[in-house]
Amino acid sequence: NAGVTQTPKFQVLKTGQSMTLQCAQDMNHEYMSWYRQDPGMGLRLIHYSVGAGITDQGEVPNGYNVSRSTTEDFPLRLLSAAPSQTSVYFCASSSGGVQAFFGQGTRLTVV
Amino acid sequence: AQSVTQLDSHVSVSEGTPVLLRCNYSSSYSPSLFWYVQHPNKGLQLLLKYTSAATLVKGINGFEAEFKKSETSFHLTKPSAHMSDAAEYFCVGAGANNLFFGTGTRLTVIP
Repeated sequence: NAGVTQTPKFQVLKTGQSMTLQCAQDMNHEYMSWYRQDPGMGLRLIHYSVGAGITDQGEVPNGYNVSRSTTEDFPLRLLSAAPSQTSVYFCASSSGGVQAFFGQGTRLTVV
Repeated sequence: AQSVTQLDSHVSVSEGTPVLLRCNYSSSYSPSLFWYVQHPNKGLQLLLKYTSAATLVKGINGFEAEFKKSETSFHLTKPSAHMSDAAEYFCVGAGANNLFFGTGTRLTVIP
């Protein structure tokens, strides 16, 4: 099925651990992005990419890395997890402003 | 700069009464605009989208929205609220290579 596949759905990390959130789309979209959602703050843009090999920072990039080696995949890496990174993370893809597709979200807890 | 502004962070209505969730946009051109709904602990589900065709857009679950260029608005309405409509609603704009989010409106439906 076409869409955005985001994994894992839930994750608990200890402070200082690293992990990668996976995001893949099969719609050949150029634009992919990562957001975090915190209570009362809506969705805030972490990093985005407008095509393979091109990434850029969003509103809250600190503590996160991304890469875009293929059009399909856009993983988000937490380098050294901190409790402030406890959040719900969403991946999205879109093309030409037609429609944005979202992954199901990852609920991350850092203890 | 492109942006969307959701004018109300919280809207409360009685079951069976009309719903109005307000969204204004700012863009140098007519963007694609969307409304998404997020139920508790769920992902974002597309309600409807405007992509420069008909200005009155009908979506799922009885929702509709009207694009008004003169008012730079894209308000979401429903004639009669149902308990299952209680959720967070996001107005989202899409340019050629970016997405821009409103901060969300939490809809409460009172029985």
